Amino acid sequence: ETGVTQTPRHLVMGMTNKKSLKCEQHLGHNAMYWYKQSAKKPLELMFVYNFKEQTENNSVPSRFSPECPNSSHLFLHLHTLQPEDSALYLCASSQETGGAYNEQFFGPGTRLTVL
Amino acid sequence: GNSVTQMEGPVTLSEEAFLTINCTYTATGYPSLFWYVQYPGEGLQLLLKATKADDKGSNKGFEATYRKETTSFHLEKGSVQVSDSAVYFCALSEAGGGNKLTFGTGTQLKVEL
Repeated sequence: ETGVTQTPRHLVMGMTNKKSLKCEQHLGHNAMYWYKQSAKKPLELMFVYNFKEQTENNSVPSRFSPECPNSSHLFLHLHTLQPEDSALYLCASSQETGGAYNEQFFGPGTRLTVL
Repeated sequence: GNSVTQMEGPVTLSEEAFLTINCTYTATGYPSLFWYVQYPGEGLQLLLKATKADDKGSNKGFEATYRKETTSFHLEKGSVQVSDSAVYFCALSEAGGGNKLTFGTGTQLKVEL
């Protein structure tokens, strides 16, 4: 596997279900991100992890719970979601060097539908 | 706060036509500017970037010039191909803001034969 991978690619869940999204980066990066992509809206940054530590939580509801066990893996745990949470969830990674911008590499995303 | 405004799509062009996708921004300080492209079923890929005023980013025939006086970063290509059909996102990174990106809504481009 190369780059950034995400599983599953598609997920349908009911509002009472609990599920998890997985992201893995094979680039040796030290920063990982979760974004939400909804139709006709800008990409929304949800969470940022640097060296496994969460450094950004963009006022995301607690029904989304991230986990970063190591710098290569990132999870997004989902519970009691709402239909408006249906979207494409994108994971990204980058090499954080402190201050200067470094390119973010994105995975293909998980298409989530909440019924 | 920072924001990025892109023209609404979809933009539909014939092959070999000239492309312009407008992007304007609002930011404090001197941001870096980017265009990302998302092909069907894939994640976003960095297409080009510019880090200071009057810089021109270019890649795969696409170009964009950082215009501080008009706070714009319009994407252009002289002759589009069917394979350029994708969604294009303009984004900025605030100076000193590390890797935090602010994206526009994206503009879908459809190129037909």
